[in-house]
Amino acid sequence: GAVVSQHPSWVICKSGTSVKIECRSLDFQATTMFWYRQFPKQSLMLMATSNEGSKATYEQGVEKDKFLINHASLTLSTLTVTSAHPEDSSFYICSASPGGLGSGNTIYFGEGSWLTVV
Amino acid sequence: AQSVAQPEDQVNVAEGNPLTVKCTYSVSGNPYLFWYVQYPNRGLQFLLKYITGDNLVKGSYGFEAEFNKSQTSFHLKKPSALVSDSALYFCAVRDGGATNKLIFGTGTLLAVQP
Repeated sequence: GAVVSQHPSWVICKSGTSVKIECRSLDFQATTMFWYRQFPKQSLMLMATSNEGSKATYEQGVEKDKFLINHASLTLSTLTVTSAHPEDSSFYICSASPGGLGSGNTIYFGEGSWLTVV
Repeated sequence: AQSVAQPEDQVNVAEGNPLTVKCTYSVSGNPYLFWYVQYPNRGLQFLLKYITGDNLVKGSYGFEAEFNKSQTSFHLKKPSALVSDSALYFCAVRDGGATNKLIFGTGTLLAVQP
């Protein structure tokens, strides 16, 4: 299957600082990437849809000024958690599809990034 | 709106026994259904999908799923469970909207006892 890579896998930051998580499609181009958040032993919550060359589309209840998304190229999307607080600690996962948004196309996921805010 | 339901939070099975992880769906139009597995502290791995055609779909690691239109189900199965199959399993459906995002079930934790 296609490969989606995230970096870093683990990050610890101090409260009030910002942290950036990268999501790369390694063997395909992705005009659209999806960012999810997952709490322990729970399902994935879609945060936003990242669109190459345009603004991201945020899900209801997700603060766009806090979770900045930039999709500057066809293989890279970044999620920046600004002014992080302990409640932002979570597992963040990105995904993308090599075939685009067609219903039958498989969406592949990155390995996830653990954020701990202290 | 498209949705999937996973009625069991946890499934316990002995190694070597067959396993089933249940999923039911609710869609308007044709269903596009997926199964993913998540190992601890890892991202999701694609197992299999149903688009059209044969109701029995074969996927990775010996897993298969049976699409049943009359029961609106897409249960994940494996004839003989391994301890290494212990993980969190998610059923998902494409929502058919502008970005056609995946809508996930709540997940089922599979525990295979040796």
